[in-house]
Amino acid sequence: NAGVTQTPKFRVLKTGQSMTLLCAQDMNHEYMYWYRQDPGMGLRLIHYSVGEGTTAKGEVPDGYNVSRLKKQNFLLGLESAAPSQTSVYFCAIRDRVEEETQYFGPGTRLLVL
Amino acid sequence: GQQVMQIPQYQHVQEGEDFTTYCNSSTTLSNIQWYKQRPGGHPVFLIQLVKSGEVKKQKRLTFQFGEAKKNSSLHITATQTTDVGTYFCAGRRSGYSTLTFGKGTMLLVSP
Repeated sequence: NAGVTQTPKFRVLKTGQSMTLLCAQDMNHEYMYWYRQDPGMGLRLIHYSVGEGTTAKGEVPDGYNVSRLKKQNFLLGLESAAPSQTSVYFCAIRDRVEEETQYFGPGTRLLVL
Repeated sequence: GQQVMQIPQYQHVQEGEDFTTYCNSSTTLSNIQWYKQRPGGHPVFLIQLVKSGEVKKQKRLTFQFGEAKKNSSLHITATQTTDVGTYFCAGRRSGYSTLTFGKGTMLLVSP
């Protein structure tokens, strides 16, 4: 999966707790994306970044914040977790020079009780 | 906003039967991509189509992009159990840096 790692692999949170998901790449790709996947809903874009220091909102950004302080890392934060945020979270990267292929990380499974 | 519809949501076939999934966009696309996700896994890129009317083949898989660049299809000939998974299409509009994914078609193949 093109050197994309996600931390943690699985996490259980209580409502109101906070956490940060880390996506790290060992490539030099500019674009990074955070998606959530829910049963029957496909992949929905939360936030994305087109380069170090930049972030932008996707389709479902509410309740999430992101940061891209270093080119190789893209952080997704949940300030106050809600049960509706129970999902599988995927990070993806894309090389602006290449054919726009997105390479996905292995995913983080989050359960909010 | 842009919508990408995919049908069917689910299909169960016997090994050796053919399978087709269809993707339709509410807007004209710059390109369309197809991904496969095995159960418990992550989406894996299969192919990208860019040109109007384009047809690409990968062994038993045939991908088509419509003339109007608003629809696409994936056809699998003589399915095998290794084809099991969910197939997603994802479209990008000109000028945008993001993809919009369809909800996927889950394929189950019985031996």
